[in-house]
Amino acid sequence: QSVLTQPPSVSGAPGQRVTISCTGSSSNIGAGYDVHWYQQLPGRAPKLLIYANNNRPSGVPGRFSGSKSGTSASLTITGLQAEDEADYYCQSYGTIFSGPKWVFGGGTRVTVL
Amino acid sequence: DVQLVESGGGLKKPGGSLRLSCAASGFTFRSAWMSWVRQTPGKGLEWVGRIKSKADGETTDYAAAVKGRFTISRDDSKNTMSLQMNSLKTEDTAVYYCTTEPGFLGNWGQGTLVTVSA
Repeated sequence: QSVLTQPPSVSGAPGQRVTISCTGSSSNIGAGYDVHWYQQLPGRAPKLLIYANNNRPSGVPGRFSGSKSGTSASLTITGLQAEDEADYYCQSYGTIFSGPKWVFGGGTRVTVL
Repeated sequence: DVQLVESGGGLKKPGGSLRLSCAASGFTFRSAWMSWVRQTPGKGLEWVGRIKSKADGETTDYAAAVKGRFTISRDDSKNTMSLQMNSLKTEDTAVYYCTTEPGFLGNWGQGTLVTVSA
């Protein structure tokens, strides 16, 4: 069971807007830690998509955007394209009694209809 | 371009040991914080541990699931990071990725598969 909660799947037609939620707690996202997002295409390693809540690395299309509020964050794809079909993971930072750790969401499969 | 290449994966019996390596190029390795992340077949991602740069003390942190069994080290003269895995369990079966830090995991290797099975 993942520390951060994501919906298992979302879908949309080409051109539509889809949003993936990532829910944490006061020990991670709610403590003020940044949220990052990764895209994993089938058979490939994950790739950084959004860092520090709403920043896109060079080369990431502008249709990807992120936001964060309270104990949650979200990733939005505006103008869904066929090549966006992939798994998406959120990640943040948390502290537990045994020390600091990175925490992930369970991943969301995006299907383009 | 940043390149991370993992090696050393394979099939091991429970209780056995395995050492993974990550060869880095394309950036100043000695200044980098590095992490290992694993992904179980068909499942999600799990952070394994990290090592800071020598300038930041070369300290290590580990996930609770591997603490005391896994050890991360680095050799800045060879631009490599290692993951020594001891007392392997079936639940350690996963693809292991080498990544750059800090903060977000900016670069990932292609991963190496570790299978722990009797």
